[in-house]
Amino acid sequence: EAEVAQSPRYKITEKSQAVAFWCDPISGHATLYWYRQILGQGPELLVQFQDESVVDDSQLPKDRFSAERLKGVDSTLKIQPAELGDSAMYLCASSLAARGHIKETQYFGPGTRLLVL
Amino acid sequence: GENVEQHPSTLSVQEGDSAVIKCTYSDSASNYFPWYKQELGKGPQLIIDIRSNVGEKKDQRIAVTLNKTAKHFSLHITETQPEDSAVYFCAAYSGGYQKVTFGTGTKLQVIP
Repeated sequence: EAEVAQSPRYKITEKSQAVAFWCDPISGHATLYWYRQILGQGPELLVQFQDESVVDDSQLPKDRFSAERLKGVDSTLKIQPAELGDSAMYLCASSLAARGHIKETQYFGPGTRLLVL
Repeated sequence: GENVEQHPSTLSVQEGDSAVIKCTYSDSASNYFPWYKQELGKGPQLIIDIRSNVGEKKDQRIAVTLNKTAKHFSLHITETQPEDSAVYFCAAYSGGYQKVTFGTGTKLQVIP
């Protein structure tokens, strides 16, 4: 069964450093999402891609966070500089949903747990 | 924007009993409502979903009901087993690009 891949699984960094997370969605999935999940809370959408285009980044702290999906396949989420409050699980998800079509189910990866010291 | 409230935040049941988790949403345009199960250290996994044109859906021991008028939907798990212990999240999709909003989660503990 195809799965969403994420790396690294765990990351420890010091504040003010740069960190990057990678996501490889299920093959053929047009839509890719990055979420942040603080312990004890539900996932919060950071950015949504439709193919290579950003369709929603309203909750992305753009002064320090950036995301790209250059070829419309895999994606990278970057934080620079990292702050203590960025400690969380970063989840990637993908779905088949193409532009104009009814939403399809999102499939989540295992996440990257970030600890900022 | 959409607001999704989920109750209860924690739920303990005896093995074999039923568990019910409820969610309410605010955007009447929301049209897709999935439920996810998240085990410790893992990403959420879809367990059941329902679209706005359906009132109830069942898959073995799991069922979801939707009341569009009242804007609430519920997850029902019957004959609970210890492996059902996890955090469950509801979600609601709305808008042209189907923006998703998650509930705050319910930690279910099934006591053997």
